[in-house]
Amino acid sequence: QSVVTQPPSASGTPGQRVTISCSGSSSDIGFNTVNWYQQLPGTAPKLLIYSDNQRPSEVPDRFSGSKSGTSASLAISGLQSEDEADYYCATWDDSLSGYVFGTGTKVTVL
Amino acid sequence: QVQLQESGPGLVKPSETLSLTCTVSGGSMTNYYWSWIRQPPGKGLQWIGYIYYSGSTKHNPSLKSRVTMSIDTSKNQFSLKLSSVTAADTAVYFCARGGTVGIPAANNWFDPWGQGTLVTVSA
Repeated sequence: QSVVTQPPSASGTPGQRVTISCSGSSSDIGFNTVNWYQQLPGTAPKLLIYSDNQRPSEVPDRFSGSKSGTSASLAISGLQSEDEADYYCATWDDSLSGYVFGTGTKVTVL
Repeated sequence: QVQLQESGPGLVKPSETLSLTCTVSGGSMTNYYWSWIRQPPGKGLQWIGYIYYSGSTKHNPSLKSRVTMSIDTSKNQFSLKLSSVTAADTAVYFCARGGTVGIPAANNWFDPWGQGTLVTVSA
C-alpha cells in the first residue's frame, strides 16, 4: 500500500512562516493532484487546498500549496494561534486505485 | 450550504457488522461521489471507499471484501456496512462529499465533511 509521508510535527512563533512537506511517488503525487486538510482539535477535517494550489474562497490567503515532482508542500505564512492543528495531504494512488492520506503533521504555535 | 451527518450505533461487538448512514442536507446528491473516511483514536485518516450517485462503488483494497456501500438519493442518504469487525476497526467514521462527476475521481477532493461518529468495537 502506498505511503505518503509528512513530518510528524512543525512549529513556529506567531507571524512566522511554516512549511509542511508531503512526499510520495510516481504512482500518487507524481501523477495526481494533491489536496490539503486542516483538522482542529476534536473536529472534522476541513478542506484547505485543492488541486495542488487552489484555495476555497473561505480559506485565508495565508495558506498556500505547491507541488513539484513527487512532493507537495503547504505553507502557512503569518502563523496565528488558531492555526494550531493537524494537517493532512491527500492524493489518488494509481497502484491502489484509491485515495491515500499523508501521515499527518501537527503544527504547534509557540 | 451542503451539510452531512453520520448516524448509527456507537458500539459494535467483534465479528458483527458495523452499519452507518450519512444524511445529506442542503443540496442534491446527483452528480457527486460520496465517501467514507475513518480515523482510529489518535491516528491518521484512512479512506474507506466511495459510492457514486448512480450506485457504482470503489473501496480501499486493504479492507478486502468487508465493505458494502449503498445510496438512496430519494432519502438523501448513503450508507456503509463493514463486516467481521475487530478492535482495529474502532475509529471515528466520517462521511464526506467526494467531488463532482465533471472531474475524474483521481483529481477530486473531500468537501464538506460530516462531524464524524465514534464507533467502538468491543464485547
